[in-house]
Amino acid sequence: NAGVTQTPKFRILKIGQSMTLQCTQDMNHNYMYWYRQDPGMGLKLIYYSVGAGITDKGEVPNGYNVSRSTTEDFPLRLELAAPSQTSVYFCASSDTGATEAFFGQGTRLTVV
Amino acid sequence: KQEVTQIPAALSVPEGENLVLNCSFTDSAIYNLQWFRQDPGKGLTSLLLIQSSQREQTSGRLNASLDKSSGRSTLYIAASQPGDSATYLCAGATMYSGGGADGLTFGKGTHLIIQP
Repeated sequence: NAGVTQTPKFRILKIGQSMTLQCTQDMNHNYMYWYRQDPGMGLKLIYYSVGAGITDKGEVPNGYNVSRSTTEDFPLRLELAAPSQTSVYFCASSDTGATEAFFGQGTRLTVV
Repeated sequence: KQEVTQIPAALSVPEGENLVLNCSFTDSAIYNLQWFRQDPGKGLTSLLLIQSSQREQTSGRLNASLDKSSGRSTLYIAASQPGDSATYLCAGATMYSGGGADGLTFGKGTHLIIQP
């Protein structure tokens, strides 16, 4: 069972570059989320989606964009990467907002 | 705004001991509370999910409780083993006035070391 799959696992970006973090889930979940985790901190919500075509900002959305054209995929776009975006990014999904959330293995991003 | 706090931040105990990890939250309007395990450099593994209507959930040597009135949850680990060493995170899904939920609010975690 694949669950939630994130690519790439690691990436180094230069300041000002852009990239897309990919996330796909095979559980037919309606809700999908992007979180970032900084050292010694809990996870913080960047963006979330309650279904295809619907996205909304979380706690720390600045510098990021998302889209949700299908139920399965929820890519996260970084435009003009900054050192403050160095973090580990996790994608998650759940059937509803009140059910168990499943997480991907994370993408470790370094901006230099 | 929901805030989640975990105490202690770190814990080291000898193998075989029973232990309790604590989680507190400020807004009692939660859908559920979820406990996760995170190994170094890895993703989050869901351990237990307690719905707001439940008082506790059990899975093997793990038991999680939820007390909405006091804003607290505990994770009890029985007969700890070195393989239990990891960071444990609790997270709550909060209800909002429109009836929806917009993701989980996480604590910073408890880093647990079980000494052989």
